[in-house]
Amino acid sequence: DAGVTQSPTHLIKTRGQQVTLRCSPKSGHDTVSWYQQALGQGPQFIFQYYEEEERQRGNFPDRFSGHQFPNYSSELNVNALLLGDSALYLCASSFIRGEGYNEQFFGPGTRLTVL
Amino acid sequence: AQKITQTQPGMFVQEKEAVTLDCTYDTSDPSYGLFWYKQPSSGEMIFLIYQGSYDQQNATEGRYSLNFQKARKSANLVISASQLGDSAMYFCAMTGGWVQGAQKLVFGQGTRLTINP
Repeated sequence: DAGVTQSPTHLIKTRGQQVTLRCSPKSGHDTVSWYQQALGQGPQFIFQYYEEEERQRGNFPDRFSGHQFPNYSSELNVNALLLGDSALYLCASSFIRGEGYNEQFFGPGTRLTVL
Repeated sequence: AQKITQTQPGMFVQEKEAVTLDCTYDTSDPSYGLFWYKQPSSGEMIFLIYQGSYDQQNATEGRYSLNFQKARKSANLVISASQLGDSAMYFCAMTGGWVQGAQKLVFGQGTRLTINP
């Protein structure tokens, strides 16, 4: 049973460029969340997708956008990259059916470096 | 809003000793979940243990147990008989804000645990 997969593993971009990160959820999961983890910090919630819609969003600018496909996979797009966007981007999948319990299975992450 | 506080930036423990990692939380939601994740240097977040706000018993998973004190809003992780492979970053997290059937995880700053031989 494949877990959560992310691509690419590493990425180097320059300021002002655009980037797309990809995520495939764990089998049986229908909800995908994206997190940004700066060096030495805990992950920060970017947004969550369910039924191809953005359901909840964290405190991130509109430069961060996403998409979920019918097969539940997801993309994270970041436009006009800034140096501060350098981070580990984590994708997590889950099967949310009620408040409280929300075990999210994380992928290995994509490490983005902006020069 | 939900908030997680981990006050120990780093912990150093001798192999085979027990270790307690501290976590306090703040929320106004009556229903919530508390999680601990381990993050080795590879970067992947590994789920360790879960405690529901209405659970009467403290959660246990092998060598991991969660010391849940609801009145004090604390959810400390206890690792018994530590091993060298336990060296990693540990994050406490909680569910936050049920919105349109979606729920995020709110993480603390983490504690770096180092197990010495």
